[in-house]
Amino acid sequence: GDSVTQMEGPVTLSEEAFLTINCTYTATGYPSLFWYVQYPGEGLQLLLKATKADDKGSNKGFEATYRKETTSFHLEKGSVQVSDSAVYFCALSSGGTSYGKLTFGQGTILTVHP
Amino acid sequence: DAGVTQSPTHLIKTRGQQVTLRCSPKSGHDTVSWYQQALGQGPQFIFQYYEEEERQRGNFPDRFSGHQFPNYSSELNVNALLLGDSALYLCASSLFGAGDTIYFGEGSWLTVV
Repeated sequence: GDSVTQMEGPVTLSEEAFLTINCTYTATGYPSLFWYVQYPGEGLQLLLKATKADDKGSNKGFEATYRKETTSFHLEKGSVQVSDSAVYFCALSSGGTSYGKLTFGQGTILTVHP
Repeated sequence: DAGVTQSPTHLIKTRGQQVTLRCSPKSGHDTVSWYQQALGQGPQFIFQYYEEEERQRGNFPDRFSGHQFPNYSSELNVNALLLGDSALYLCASSLFGAGDTIYFGEGSWLTVV
């Protein structure tokens, strides 16, 4: 079945540091890939997505590239801010009969200090 | 443009009781899915409703049931509550066949005591 594995956290960085959160997946077919962010006490917000191999999703300075050969979708940001502190979830959707169903990783807690 | 709205935001129930959670999808969306997010975990898919029918179901027991109304809103019902049902329940909406962009509500925090 489908699965998503995220790097174990939590991750603690100083402001303006470079961020990488690793994500790898197992899926049938050609899934769409997503990063969602969850701020304290809130629901999930879509951060970015990519729907086919070599696509790069980007938003708010965050980027992730769909790498089919390594089944990865790592999240990066060049310079993090305190306001980026949140939980980040990598997810996939296989489409087909699983259309609209997301499979999530376990989440990575990011804390950014001033 | 209203996003996905859920109610109630917080509730406390006793073991063995039943609970109903409600969701209104984002305007223009016709598909509703429900997820359970235990503390410190990623969300787990419960089921999906489209055209008032359950279309997909995750690995959850029959105690979890749902309904979708003609206006696309949805309810999640959980019977015979267990302590392990304590979690954040998230509603997600999308437009069937229009791609994989899925929007989530703020969630309903359920505590079972």
